[in-house]
Amino acid sequence: QSVLTQPPSVSGAPGQRVTISCTGSSSNIGAGYDVHWYQQLPGTAPKLLIYGNSNRPSGVPDRFSGSKSGTSASLAITGLQAEDEADYYCQSYDSSLSGSNVFGTGTKVTVL
Amino acid sequence: QVQLVQSGAEVKKPGASVKVSCKASGYTFTSYGISWVRQAPGQGLEWMGWISAYNGNTNYAQKLQGRVTMTTDTSTSTAYMELRSLRSDDTAVYYCARARAAAEVFDPWGQGTLVTVSS
Repeated sequence: QSVLTQPPSVSGAPGQRVTISCTGSSSNIGAGYDVHWYQQLPGTAPKLLIYGNSNRPSGVPDRFSGSKSGTSASLAITGLQAEDEADYYCQSYDSSLSGSNVFGTGTKVTVL
Repeated sequence: QVQLVQSGAEVKKPGASVKVSCKASGYTFTSYGISWVRQAPGQGLEWMGWISAYNGNTNYAQKLQGRVTMTTDTSTSTAYMELRSLRSDDTAVYYCARARAAAEVFDPWGQGTLVTVSS
């Protein structure tokens, strides 16, 4: 059961900027737990994209950025490229489910 | 480099059990834990639980309590996830991922293991 809500899809032309929202509640994002983002290319395992709300692991282009405010978080992709077409998931921790990690519903990014 | 390599695909009948392995390399196994995540066909990610490779402490998703058991073998740096009383809706790709604590980020992930439950 996903308790973090994401838009099912977003799209943009190459070079454009797109954002993906991740809406939670007072028991997860709003409680101060970090938000992490993963990219899943078709047929592959998820890969860490952003950790600790806004940090990029080494090797992740600076076109990807994350932010968090209140009970929501966002992932932005600037200078959209064809290889960014993938599914994106946010993840946080929820204190209301006997302590449980929770994922967002997932967002499909399409490059037009 | 840090790597998690999982066991191969499985086909099971309803009511059976499955045990998936996840062999770690490239880091000190007991300094981290392992989380398990599954993804049903065409669906999103579902967290199943976490185990500490240091002391074996576990934290299971409420939904799977009583059906899932996670273990580790520190001598071979391998984590295991066993799921019992399989149903058709357990058909999914099962992933392991390194996580320092239950509430921590998952990085890296294993390649995934497809478990198909079918009569």
